[in-house]
Amino acid sequence: EAGVAQSPRYKIIEKRQSVAFWCNPISGHATLYWYQQILGQGPKLLIQFQNNGVVDDSQLPKDRFSAERLKGVDSTLKIQPAKLEDSAVYLCASSLVFSIHEQYFGPGTRLTVT
Amino acid sequence: DQQVKQNSPSLSVQEGRISILNCDYTNSMFDYFLWYKKYPAEGPTFLISISSIKDKNEDGRFTVFLNKSAKHLSLHIVPSQPGDSAVYFCAAWDSGAGSYQLTFGKGTKLSVIP
Repeated sequence: EAGVAQSPRYKIIEKRQSVAFWCNPISGHATLYWYQQILGQGPKLLIQFQNNGVVDDSQLPKDRFSAERLKGVDSTLKIQPAKLEDSAVYLCASSLVFSIHEQYFGPGTRLTVT
Repeated sequence: DQQVKQNSPSLSVQEGRISILNCDYTNSMFDYFLWYKKYPAEGPTFLISISSIKDKNEDGRFTVFLNKSAKHLSLHIVPSQPGDSAVYFCAAWDSGAGSYQLTFGKGTKLSVIP
C-alpha cells in the first residue's frame, strides 16, 4: 500500500514570494491534515479536511495561507506572501475518517524562506 | 500554553538497556495518547497508542504506561536497539466538542549507543 506522497521535498524562496505544496493521501483515506513543524517543536495542525470539506481551519493564518482539496483526494497548501517565520517542515497526514486517531504522515516539505 | 509536554529534549541509552521516554499533559479530556517515531528527513511514524481508560498497552518491545491521576505517560523500549535512535513525539487525541485533533509534544531525541 502506497503511503502519503508529498512534493516538493525541499523548497527555498525569498520572503514575499509565494509557494505551493502538494499532498496525495493514502488511497481510501477520507481525512487529510496539513501540519506545520517548526524546528525544535512538534507538528502543529493547520487545517483538516473530511473529503473535500474543511473540518477545522482555526489555526490556519488565513491572511497568507490557503488550502484546498477540490475532488476529495489530493490537496494543495499555498503560502502567499511568505514570511521568514514560515520556514518549517510542512507535513501532510491522512486517516480513514476524522474520528480515528491513527494518522499516517508523508515525508514532509522543508521550506526555507530567506 | 502547552497541553502536551516532553521535558527531556534528549536521552542516551546503551544498547540492550531500557529506554524510558516521558510525557505530561494538562487536558484531562484527552481520549487517546499516541507515540510517534521520526527519523531525519522522514515523516512521523505511528508507534503505539493507549486509550485513556487503560493504564498499559504493550506491543513487542514497546510498552506505554498511563497514569491518569498524575496526567503522565511513558514509553518503555526493552531492549533498546541502535535502530531505535530517532525523535519520539508524544501526542494526545481530543474528540471533545467534535474537534478530533492531535496535539503533539516537542519530542525527545533518543540515541541508542552500540
